[in-house]
Amino acid sequence: DVKVTQSSRYLVKRTGEKVFLECVQDMDHENMFWYRQDPGLGLRLIYFSYDVKMKEKGDIPEGYSVSREKKERFSLILESASTNQTSMYLCASRSGATEAFFGQGTRLTVV
Amino acid sequence: GENVEQHPSTLSVQEGDSAVIKCTYSDSASNYFPWYKQELGKGPQLIIDIRSNVGEKKDQRIAVTLNKTAKHFSLHITETQPEDSAVYFCAVNSGTYKYIFGTGTRLKVLA
Repeated sequence: DVKVTQSSRYLVKRTGEKVFLECVQDMDHENMFWYRQDPGLGLRLIYFSYDVKMKEKGDIPEGYSVSREKKERFSLILESASTNQTSMYLCASRSGATEAFFGQGTRLTVV
Repeated sequence: GENVEQHPSTLSVQEGDSAVIKCTYSDSASNYFPWYKQELGKGPQLIIDIRSNVGEKKDQRIAVTLNKTAKHFSLHITETQPEDSAVYFCAVNSGTYKYIFGTGTRLKVLA
């Protein structure tokens, strides 16, 4: 059974903290993605990576960075968490223009 | 840039009735059109997809139709059941790596 696993289901962090969201996939996919999901706005792309150590900005990269040191792992970093980054974060992976597999999501609350 | 509009945002149907969700897109180069279902507390999961060389595709009670000339595609669910209640997202590919998602439709099937 293919899997995309996000390290946390729920996180509560304080304003100004550095936050790491981890994602691991076991399908040997080249492409990995971080989305943010907010009511009425759908899924918005934050960053993606098409190869190890390669990354590209998505539509809403401000306040975020990413790291991909190994093919199976893609990390999203909030350099200094703010309350407007309270959201559901979804990681996905895929190979080419095919089905994207999503993790279960991390609900982050910044207080 | 690429834009995807999805309607309606909410949809309530009686059990056994049909449900239709529509998406329009702007990039004529898009050639892959997946639909995802997101159940409560889970990440989105692919339910059906269609490529631009096909006008319609069916999988049991689910079908997708594509009109490339008009740049719209639709999800059709027949004989709806309570377990069809979820949020549905359309998506289109944009460029080499990106998928652009619609804003989602919350479907409620009333028993």
